[in-house]
Amino acid sequence: NAGVTQTPKFQVLKTGQSMTLQCAQDMNHNSMYWYRQDPGMGLRLIYYSASEGTTDKGEVPNGYNVSRLNKREFSLRLESAAPSQTSVYFCASSESRGGGNEKLFFGSGTQLSVL
Amino acid sequence: KQEVTQIPAALSVPEGENLVLNCSFTDSAIYNLQWFRQDPGKGLTSLLLIQSSQREQTSGRLNASLDKSSGRSTLYIAASQPGDSATYLCALRSSGSARQLTFGSGTQLTVLP
Repeated sequence: NAGVTQTPKFQVLKTGQSMTLQCAQDMNHNSMYWYRQDPGMGLRLIYYSASEGTTDKGEVPNGYNVSRLNKREFSLRLESAAPSQTSVYFCASSESRGGGNEKLFFGSGTQLSVL
Repeated sequence: KQEVTQIPAALSVPEGENLVLNCSFTDSAIYNLQWFRQDPGKGLTSLLLIQSSQREQTSGRLNASLDKSSGRSTLYIAASQPGDSATYLCALRSSGSARQLTFGSGTQLTVLP
């Protein structure tokens, strides 16, 4: 079972470059999320999508944009990368439309370095 | 704003020992609490989810408890094994925010053979 698949696994960018992180899930989940994980800070929510066609800001949305392309895919775009965006990015999905008790399933992460 | 703290940041124990990982939080108005496991270079795997109305959940050698009044949760691992070595994170979903989980920074556990 593939679960949640993220690409790429590693990426190095120069300041000002743009890129898109891809995420796809094959569990027919309604909700999808993008988190970043920084040392000593736990995971922080960047954006989420409760269902196909909707997106909402999380705790740290500045500098990012997202697209919920269809039910399976949720992409994260950095328009002009900054060193502060060096982090590990995780995509996650969950089954329900947000009743609150659903478990999250995570991808294996993208390690991004911005020089 | 909810704050979640996990102490210690790292813990080493010999194989076979029973151990407890701690998670404390500042706002008791929570919807649920989850414990996750993270292996190096991998994503997070949900281990246990405790709803606000529950006091504990068990899965195999794992038992998680929740005490909202004291702002604490513990993850008990019985008869630890080297394969339990990983980082364990707790995350809370607050009552006023159905979408956002607040994560602790995790405890890195090493079980020595």
